[in-house]
Amino acid sequence: SQQGEEDPQALSIQEGENATMNCSYKTSINNLQWYRQNSGRGLVHLILIRSNEREKHSGRLRVTLDTSKKSSSLLITASRAADTASYFCATRAAGGSQGNLIFGKGTKLSVKP
Amino acid sequence: DSGVTQTPKHLITATGQRVTLRCSPRSGDLSVYWYQQSLDQGLQFLIQYYNGEERAKGNILERFSAQQFPDLHSELNLSSLELGDSALYFCASSVSRTGSEKLFFGSGTQLSVL
Repeated sequence: SQQGEEDPQALSIQEGENATMNCSYKTSINNLQWYRQNSGRGLVHLILIRSNEREKHSGRLRVTLDTSKKSSSLLITASRAADTASYFCATRAAGGSQGNLIFGKGTKLSVKP
Repeated sequence: DSGVTQTPKHLITATGQRVTLRCSPRSGDLSVYWYQQSLDQGLQFLIQYYNGEERAKGNILERFSAQQFPDLHSELNLSSLELGDSALYFCASSVSRTGSEKLFFGSGTQLSVL
């Protein structure tokens, strides 16, 4: 079953605008990760935020984590056409089966030039 | 390039058949994970191996099996194939047993069952 659920399912913006994607999850987590997938290709890791962190930056990416609300957001600033892809959050449950990284269904981002 | 190699890239077969998907992890990575991606189910975790031993099991059907060999490459065997098994199958690898860090994904095998 899905642990994380991204919102919105699809997002269309103009180049230069910011894109915000949200992720909600169900159980306590060890960490939360964001991945990117270009159409039909393999997933690429973007950023990892641990359960004791609230915010993390990497280049044009900003991730926040609110464990009390069991939610995270990914902000891409000054978007480019090359950012067009699907973005997935993935959570690793605290305790239990540590090998099980559970992915949401993703947000499909389209950045128009 | 993630360093994870999957073969073949595409596979077309018929219902009832058996296929084998192969994965070579990044150099130095001991864990291998298999995921299935379909339009309706999203990305589903199937199974993880660490240094040759099964570590975690997800939504893997009994018709599917996997193993990791001494050279750390892994194979996913899918048998008695059904139309619904058509999907993109990904292999990923990581260094640790717990996989608490990021995963490196291969480019996938697109399986079409006709």
